[in-house]
Amino acid sequence: DTGVSQDPRHKITKRGQNVTFRCDPISEHNRLYWYRQTLGQGPEFLTYFQNEAQLEKSRLLSDRFSAERPKGSFSTLEIQRTEQGDSAMYLCASSRSTVNYGYTFGSGTRLTVV
Amino acid sequence: AQTVTQSQPEMSVQEAETVTLSCTYDTSESDYYLFWYKQPPSRQMILVIRQEAYKQQNATENRFSVNFQKAAKSFSLKISDSQLGDAAMYFCALKNQGGKLIFGQGTELSVKP
Repeated sequence: DTGVSQDPRHKITKRGQNVTFRCDPISEHNRLYWYRQTLGQGPEFLTYFQNEAQLEKSRLLSDRFSAERPKGSFSTLEIQRTEQGDSAMYLCASSRSTVNYGYTFGSGTRLTVV
Repeated sequence: AQTVTQSQPEMSVQEAETVTLSCTYDTSESDYYLFWYKQPPSRQMILVIRQEAYKQQNATENRFSVNFQKAAKSFSLKISDSQLGDAAMYFCALKNQGGKLIFGQGTELSVKP
């Protein structure tokens, strides 16, 4: 169990640029979640996958956001045409599909849009 | 819709004392789980304690315990013998059948030496 890995840890980008984040979950976890957290707030749900299927997307996830988990292992979250309001910590977590398990979180990717 | 509310943005406790963090929630589901997560500054979120809604007995994990009042939809966290390392943001979270965690706004706990 190597934990949930996220890359990069920090990303500074200019407004209008595209960015992509990667998450590697715990290998035996079939569910993978993306959250966004702004300073001093709780994480807000963005989307989640069970294996390679994207099962739910939040209304927070605008058309500029897209997430994939092509082989049911790692996942990517892409933000196109970044805006200053996209600046936040993007958290990835994984779990087994049984409801009583909590999540294991990664350390997050902090995005700053300048 | 499920909601989680933490009404205490900040709390402070003296080292070795006891502190209780409050959480209320709302859900229409009968089967769900409640969690407390700890997020130290600039570090990843870690699970502190978990409570199954169908269990009447309150969960305990060493110095951490919960007071689960199902009818009142209340789920408070008690930290006994507080230590400097307990200083962090604490988030209450609800997990429904869909498996999606819904978080409260968080309570920032400071521990005074």
